[in-house]
Amino acid sequence: DQQVKQNSPSLSVQEGRISILNCDYTNSMFDYFLWYKKYPAEGPTFLISISSIKDKNEDGRFTVFLNKSAKHLSLHIVPSQPGDSAVYFCAASGNQFYFGTGTSLTVIP
Amino acid sequence: DTGVSQDPRHKITKRGQNVTFRCDPISEHNRLYWYRQTLGQGPEFLTYFQNEAQLEKSRLLSDRFSAERPKGSFSTLEIQRTEQGDSAMYLCASSLGGLDQHFGDGTRLSIL
Repeated sequence: DQQVKQNSPSLSVQEGRISILNCDYTNSMFDYFLWYKKYPAEGPTFLISISSIKDKNEDGRFTVFLNKSAKHLSLHIVPSQPGDSAVYFCAASGNQFYFGTGTSLTVIP
Repeated sequence: DTGVSQDPRHKITKRGQNVTFRCDPISEHNRLYWYRQTLGQGPEFLTYFQNEAQLEKSRLLSDRFSAERPKGSFSTLEIQRTEQGDSAMYLCASSLGGLDQHFGDGTRLSIL
């Protein structure tokens, strides 16, 4: 029972352009949503979060948007840089944490 | 901040053997989490501790799995009578009561 879904396994973007990573969830009781970045052979690293009472949170080049009615969130990275190439996981917080299956982002120089 | 440390990094064992993994969280962090990750999947929550109290356990955590955090510092995860399906990356994370968990680099378990 996948409560958090990332339907795009991979995404390629040119350096300098915008990267948009998407995530859908099923449980309207989730109170926080998070994005993590993961490089090979390393554990995930926290990137940005958003409370369910907000619809946008921005931190430098990273912005997360939350659409509660659609149960959808997205991570925007602009401008994209080659060092952003990694696997990105979205996660939701309820009584425990639920992670999506990840999207592998490749930023092409 | 030395980060979350997990030991060993890799473990290869025969089916039916018991294995134990250790996690040392960031020293001031009161919350500690265990996850399991298989290929192509995101981390799956197993259990979490607040200090020494185990507050939540996933139904994924069968009776062959047990976790402890005896003094509210390091934690161990033991798997008894390992099965082929236990092959995975086991991740530990810690946080200071907040949501931004700091992950270790994981222990990769391979069952022969």
